[in-house]
Amino acid sequence: GESVGLHLPTLSVQEGDNSIINCAYSNSASDYFIWYKQESGKGPQFIIDIRSNMDKRQGQRVTVLLNKTVKHLSLQIAATQPGDSAVYFCAEFPGAQKLVFGQGTRLTINP
Amino acid sequence: GAGVSQSPSNKVTEKGKDVELRCDPISGHTALYWYRQSLGQGLEFLIYFQGNSAPDKSGLPSDRFSAERTGGSVSTLTIQRTQQEDSAVYLCASSPRQGPYEQYFGPGTRLTVT
Repeated sequence: GESVGLHLPTLSVQEGDNSIINCAYSNSASDYFIWYKQESGKGPQFIIDIRSNMDKRQGQRVTVLLNKTVKHLSLQIAATQPGDSAVYFCAEFPGAQKLVFGQGTRLTINP
Repeated sequence: GAGVSQSPSNKVTEKGKDVELRCDPISGHTALYWYRQSLGQGLEFLIYFQGNSAPDKSGLPSDRFSAERTGGSVSTLTIQRTQQEDSAVYLCASSPRQGPYEQYFGPGTRLTVT
């Protein structure tokens, strides 16, 4: 069935270091992927997206990598800051007009 | 501009009561989605609207759940005869069009059934 999962439920990094959050997806037909950030008590906030015809996309301090061969997605955050502490979700669009979300990774930034 | 808004932000209700949750999407967004998020979990799709019609209701957990959208704008999610397992955060999102595009989320309604 459709599923999107994350390799690590929690990730702790030092402030200033780079963070890498990983995600595996199962539906090879998925053609669109999004990373969301969710802070406590708030709705998910869009970070970056990527379509299946690309393997890399960069934003401000963030990069998403897509490896369709192994159905793997990653989010890289450069020079992490305390404000980056949140739960990060990947989501895939396998069709049927809906996003399928993973369980999330909690990112904690240590001072 | 204004984002997606939801009301109420918190709702505590007794088991067996009906509740209505409201979503105001971003103006002009034709697609509207409802999700449910249980504590510490990911988002579970419930239903989506394109305009006022709901082509996909497959995510609704039971016939106690229903949703409508009027005027291509505001949507209401209704849960009848609430149960404790309905306790969760209910999130609404809107998108400029249906399909593989970014969905903009509201802050959610935290529902607690006692």
